[in-house]
Amino acid sequence: DAKTTQPPSMDCAEGRAANLPCNHSTISGNEYVYWYRQIHSQGPQYIIHGLKNNETNEMASLIITEDRKSSTLILPHATLRDTAVYYCIPPGNQFYFGTGTSLTVIP
Amino acid sequence: NAGVTQTPKFRILKIGQSMTLQCAQDMNHNYMYWYRQDPGMGLKLIYYSVGAGITDKGEVPNGYNVSRSTTEDFPLRLELAAPSQTSVYFCASSALRGGTYEQYFGPGTRLTVT
Repeated sequence: DAKTTQPPSMDCAEGRAANLPCNHSTISGNEYVYWYRQIHSQGPQYIIHGLKNNETNEMASLIITEDRKSSTLILPHATLRDTAVYYCIPPGNQFYFGTGTSLTVIP
Repeated sequence: NAGVTQTPKFRILKIGQSMTLQCAQDMNHNYMYWYRQDPGMGLKLIYYSVGAGITDKGEVPNGYNVSRSTTEDFPLRLELAAPSQTSVYFCASSALRGGTYEQYFGPGTRLTVT
């Protein structure tokens, strides 16, 4: 089954862009990459998903490389409320929540 | 919409006791899921359901049972509680739309078995 590799932790200054990378171990042609976040042991919250092209919604932007082997979640203006664990869900394995990246936004 | 609701929020069980964790959703989603999350770890899938009357095992099903008699409800049953089942349990639901499955999660049930 597909897995992902994410840095265990990152810091970001408040108001700056947070760029969270993710490597996908396998490629599946018609499967989406999903991103979720979990704030302080609450239930995970869906953020965004994408297939091949870059995507943007009110929460974040998602950039997917052409070979689909990696993606980057961008929070354009990080706030303290964005401090959370961010999970990248690999294409073809929608149930895989690894340990994610713990993002700390610093005042 | 209330989204996904879970009861109880907290529970302490003694070894060998049984209990049912309740999960309900009001979004008319066909797909429902149960995950557990141990401290400092990611989520692991216990069971899932693709519709009423259909359930299937996930990664860590041992010690648990589920049923799906209606679209809205997906209870998780622990028959003989063990300390290894101390965890936070999350229920989620999703609908298949355009080939995508965004999952919506409940607030979780924090279970301690002593």
